[in-house]
Amino acid sequence: GDSVTQMEGPVTLSEEAFLTINCTYTATGYPSLFWYVQYPGEGLQLLLKATKADDKGSNKGFEATYRKETTSFHLEKGSVQVSDSAVYFCALTTSGTYKYIFGTGTRLKVLA
Amino acid sequence: DADVTQTPRNRITKTGKRIMLECSQTKGHDRMYWYRQDPGLGLRLIYYSFDVKDINKGEISDGYSVSRQAQAKFSLSLESAIPNQTALYFCATSDSSLTNTGELFFGEGSRLTVL
Repeated sequence: GDSVTQMEGPVTLSEEAFLTINCTYTATGYPSLFWYVQYPGEGLQLLLKATKADDKGSNKGFEATYRKETTSFHLEKGSVQVSDSAVYFCALTTSGTYKYIFGTGTRLKVLA
Repeated sequence: DADVTQTPRNRITKTGKRIMLECSQTKGHDRMYWYRQDPGLGLRLIYYSFDVKDINKGEISDGYSVSRQAQAKFSLSLESAIPNQTALYFCATSDSSLTNTGELFFGEGSRLTVL
């Protein structure tokens, strides 16, 4: 079945450091890929998405590129801030299904 | 006000008690979902509903039941709570017209502790 694998955390970085959170997937068909972010005490909210191969999603300085050849959707940010501290979830859904498959989440802590 | 509202936000109960978590939305979406979040396990789907008359089990429905009272309301019940149902529960909505390109919209979560 479809699945999402993302790197385990926690990831601890200093402010202004470069961030990469790895995400790979397996899916039948052609999934759409998402990154959701969960700030402390809040629900998940969409950070960015990509719906087809080679698409790049971007938002708030974060980017991720849909790589079909490597079945990956890694999240990157060039310079993290303390306010980026949160849990990040990679997810996918495929057309015609109800299924949104989530990774286990990666906790990011950014130190001032 | 939040588009997806969950009540209660926090609840502590005892083993064997019946608990209901409620979700209401103002987004006009037809699809509603209940997820459970546990550390290290991500989000797991409990139940989902495509409209008022369409309710389906997710991957971990045992011990839970749901009711879709209206398009905007979707409640989750634990008939006889047990300690391993201690978790953070999320309600989410989506618009079927945006399937595959659309996103899920989440409530702020209901933290349930079963003693």
